[in-house]
Amino acid sequence: GQNIDQPTEMTATEGAIVQINCTYQTSGFNGLFWYQQHAGEAPTFLSYNVLDGLEEKGRFSSFLSRSKGYSYLLLKELQMKDSASYLCAPMDSNYQLIWGAGTKLIIKP
Amino acid sequence: GAVVSQHPSRVICKSGTSVKIECRSLDFQATTMFWYRQFPKQSLMLMATSNEGSKATYEQGVEKDKFLINHASLTLSTLTVTSAHPEDSSFYICSARTGDEYNEQFFGPGTRLTVL
Repeated sequence: GQNIDQPTEMTATEGAIVQINCTYQTSGFNGLFWYQQHAGEAPTFLSYNVLDGLEEKGRFSSFLSRSKGYSYLLLKELQMKDSASYLCAPMDSNYQLIWGAGTKLIIKP
Repeated sequence: GAVVSQHPSRVICKSGTSVKIECRSLDFQATTMFWYRQFPKQSLMLMATSNEGSKATYEQGVEKDKFLINHASLTLSTLTVTSAHPEDSSFYICSARTGDEYNEQFFGPGTRLTVL
């Protein structure tokens, strides 16, 4: 079956760095997306990885290892507004996104 | 990035009534639109995939006669919740795929449905 595994909740301090890990199993693979979702709002796109390696975009970076079925999202210089849920969503062979429950990130001053 | 709108953003209705939610891609043509439902603190649940000009493909366990989907054009898809009941109260989110090389999905802002 298809499965996503992320920590349910993480806490970090403003200004620090946090890494949110994601392991996945899918039927086929067409890349992996990371989305941010604030409470009561729809997800917004953060990153897309289809090849192995690290993609950096400002304060956010995303890493993918296809052979390990593993990805992480790295957030630097954390700000209070980064408090949200972070959703790892691989795309299967039918180009459908597979969703887990996400990781709720709590930023403390 | 591409913009997707949803209307209404919030709706409160009485049990037994029907509610229509619109999803529009504003600056691109979406060959495929998706309808999701999300209950509090749970993951997004795909309800159906909608392709322009053809019948929607519903996920297992989603009643197609209760959740009517119409994708009449490349920029508009509608979801109608028929004979809504309190258990249908949820956050309904649509997304649209541009069909570019990334197959990225752009999400609408969501519709909060409350059935009394």
